[in-house]
Amino acid sequence: DAGVIQSPRHEVTEMGQEVTLRCKPISGHNSLFWYRQTMMRGLELLIYFNNNVPIDDSGMPEDRFSAKMPNASFSTLKIQPSEPRDSAVYFCASSLKASGRGGDTQYFGPGTRLTVL
Amino acid sequence: AQKVTQAQTEISVVEKEDVTLDCVYETRDTTYYLFWYKQPPSGELVFLIRRNSFDEQNEISGRYSWNFQKSTSSFNFTITASQVVDSAVYFCALSTAGGTSYGKLTFGQGTILTVHP
Repeated sequence: DAGVIQSPRHEVTEMGQEVTLRCKPISGHNSLFWYRQTMMRGLELLIYFNNNVPIDDSGMPEDRFSAKMPNASFSTLKIQPSEPRDSAVYFCASSLKASGRGGDTQYFGPGTRLTVL
Repeated sequence: AQKVTQAQTEISVVEKEDVTLDCVYETRDTTYYLFWYKQPPSGELVFLIRRNSFDEQNEISGRYSWNFQKSTSSFNFTITASQVVDSAVYFCALSTAGGTSYGKLTFGQGTILTVHP
């Protein structure tokens, strides 16, 4: 079975440009998460969707960041305009929210390494 | 608020040595879940194990074993007879079912394990 798919795997852009990261969750999963990993802050949750609806976006750093999930098999994370401090690895993860008690295992994609010059 | 502490920033061992990675967590929820993920040099995050707060039974999977102790809020991970391929960053994580924290993973800062031949 295919895991979480992310594209592109690497992105290099210049400050001020728009960046769009893409994610395809595991088929059948109904929860999707976007994380950012940096040396300084470690792994931090940016936003979380359940059944395509954003549930918690408190981790989104500022208005330059936006995320959408138009259907169950696709999500985007957009940064506009990008800044050098946005350089990081961005991970998408998906899970099946089944029990209602939390603890659903999240499976991560390979990540997108973003460099903003 | 949830918190996960991995006090060991880096560990270096020689192949075939046993190594234990420590994880201490904090939460006010009575129902919670603990995870370990492995991040090899290639960068992806690989799920290793999930435990819930009601099951303190230790688990062994091949050379890997986990010791969960609620009394000390710890969920330690031991690799027996370490191998070079075990070299990676290991993350401990916590999730609960409370409110908008549902399904949200709180990660520790990670422990860098280097196994020398």
